[in-house]
Amino acid sequence: DGGITQSPKYLFRKEGQNVTLSCEQNLNHDAMYWYRQDPGQGLRLIYYSQIVNDFQKGDIAEGYSVSREKKESFPLTVTSAQKNPTAFYLCASSKGERGFGLMVTQYFGPGTRLLVL
Amino acid sequence: QKEVEQNSGPLSVPEGAIASLNCTYSDRVSQSFFWYRQYSGKSPELIMSIYSNGDKEDGRFTAQLNKASQYVSLLIRDSQPSDSATYLCAVSMEYGNKLVFGAGTILRVKS
Repeated sequence: DGGITQSPKYLFRKEGQNVTLSCEQNLNHDAMYWYRQDPGQGLRLIYYSQIVNDFQKGDIAEGYSVSREKKESFPLTVTSAQKNPTAFYLCASSKGERGFGLMVTQYFGPGTRLLVL
Repeated sequence: QKEVEQNSGPLSVPEGAIASLNCTYSDRVSQSFFWYRQYSGKSPELIMSIYSNGDKEDGRFTAQLNKASQYVSLLIRDSQPSDSATYLCAVSMEYGNKLVFGAGTILRVKS
């Protein structure tokens, strides 16, 4: 089955700690994205990557970092600089980052809920 | 002005009725439009996409696009309690170049 997996489902962070959220896809998609969702709000883009070894900041990149060493994987690190990290984190992928229709249709993983201890 | 706007709701409809969800967007050159359904505590699930003016039907769902007026809507016929969820409108800006999401409309279908 093709799809997107995220782990862990729940993650607890202590103050001052960096934590890494995993995102893997086997859809052979070129583009991958990280979003943050707060209660009652829409999705806000953190980072996105169109190809391996390249990524761009989204609207709320401060306090986060990413890497894209493999096409299938796009891990997100929430650093200690992110002062309000409690949120639902969603990873998505699409065939391409630019284009039309199917190229930009995004599919989501199940999400990781990050809580601060 | 927000790029993609939706009425937050909740929109309450009786079982069997038609639910109408609306979305307006600011970028006149947007090319692709999507509706996602999100159940509480779950991730968004794509239910409809539309790229051309007019209507697109898929089962009980109909997406309507009017680029001149910059709005896209989703109609759900014969609404069921299982349709109760938050519906997110997403719009591609320029030629692809990421999706911008609205805050979502909460739909409640009462049996």
